[in-house]
Amino acid sequence: SQTIHQWPATLVQPVGSPLSLECTVEGTSNPNLYWYRQAAGRGLQLLFYSVGIGQISSEVPQNLSASRPQDRQFILSSKKLLLSDSGFYLCACPTGTGYEAFFGQGTRLTVV
Amino acid sequence: QKEVEQNSGPLSVPEGAIASLNCTYSDRGSQSFFWYRQYSGKSPELIMSIYSNGDKEDGRFTAQLNKASQYVSLLIRDSQPSDSATYLCAVNIRTGANNLFFGTGTRLTVIP
Repeated sequence: SQTIHQWPATLVQPVGSPLSLECTVEGTSNPNLYWYRQAAGRGLQLLFYSVGIGQISSEVPQNLSASRPQDRQFILSSKKLLLSDSGFYLCACPTGTGYEAFFGQGTRLTVV
Repeated sequence: QKEVEQNSGPLSVPEGAIASLNCTYSDRGSQSFFWYRQYSGKSPELIMSIYSNGDKEDGRFTAQLNKASQYVSLLIRDSQPSDSATYLCAVNIRTGANNLFFGTGTRLTVIP
């Protein structure tokens, strides 16, 4: 079974600072990886997905970017954080049939 | 129109009662439907999947799907305080890597 490692678990960053969140996946050969954000009181929003190394698709215009330097590594970044970037960031990959998502433990980001 | 809609709740039921959670979706071509449970501060975990019309039972959980009405529900029998969580409905709406859409979740509280 797959395992998704995300770190850090919590993060408090000042407005205007850079961000780098890392996700690594073990135990699966499915290359699709996803970054979701869950803002307070809101649903899960798909931010980026990747079908392979160097292949990134963005779902919403935003202050964030993503990279896939290795098959099992997915990185979420920002050059300058905004208050609105606060939220619970989740990395996910498909499992089973390939349609449902398996989530990492997430990173709770608070921008102050 | 949102792709997946849920009543945000909160829904409160007494211990031992049946909790009924509902979800509607907009895309008639949707093929796969999922229920996730999310405890406060934690990442979502998959608890049920359903792919064809009718009922699917797993322990105390029953998922119900009606594609004609574009409706999927989750019943929790003999509700326990440990069932208190937010339940997310997810629907596989279209083919390709970007295919899973989530509702905003229904918060369930089981009162001892």
